[in-house]
Amino acid sequence: AQKITQTQPGMFVQEKEAVTLDCTYDTSDPSYGLFWYKQPSSGEMIFLIYQGSYDQQNATEGRYSLNFQKARKSANLVISASQLGDSAMYFCAMSPALQGAQKLVFGQGTRLTINP
Amino acid sequence: DTAVSQTPKYLVTQMGNDKSIKCEQNLGHDTMYWYKQDSKKFLKIMFSYNNKELIINETVPNRFSPKSPDKAHLNLHINSLELGDSAVYFCASTYLGADTQYFGPGTRLTVL
Repeated sequence: AQKITQTQPGMFVQEKEAVTLDCTYDTSDPSYGLFWYKQPSSGEMIFLIYQGSYDQQNATEGRYSLNFQKARKSANLVISASQLGDSAMYFCAMSPALQGAQKLVFGQGTRLTINP
Repeated sequence: DTAVSQTPKYLVTQMGNDKSIKCEQNLGHDTMYWYKQDSKKFLKIMFSYNNKELIINETVPNRFSPKSPDKAHLNLHINSLELGDSAVYFCASTYLGADTQYFGPGTRLTVL
């Protein structure tokens, strides 16, 4: 069974600072995908970034990067130059990289607050 | 252009009633999902359909019945609603075997 753990229930960061949101995972699948989603107060789930377990390089998407450390089973999200609009819940998720439907397993989420 | 849409956005109803939530995607995807987000924000998969065929069916009470009339639509019907069914229900879609799922805006169901 897969499990995602996000140990930071809440984080407070000053605007323009970089922030790291922690995510550790547990799986026995030989290959898998790791995801981060953002949920603002309006409620929608916004896909941010994806990392495949066999990808050699860390994924980046604009101000978002995923710090993937396979041996430590961690997939931390780094947001550079934080903005007020980054205040939201952030969810780490994973799925097995198999043929067929991908069942996302989510962590508990981290509520990020950016202070002006 | 809305990629994944859900109706209604809010649904308030009494215990014991039957209600439906509809989902439509215009991304051309062939696989759709229902997730439930509880009051503690925890998200859990419920069902998945691929080309109108049920392919994931998690441990969900049989009061919940999904139905996919075509690959662009996935509906969720709930019979005999209970207080514990109060949650936000998200629809998502993707291509079978693809990595990223795209979510709808959610439907907040409140059972009184």
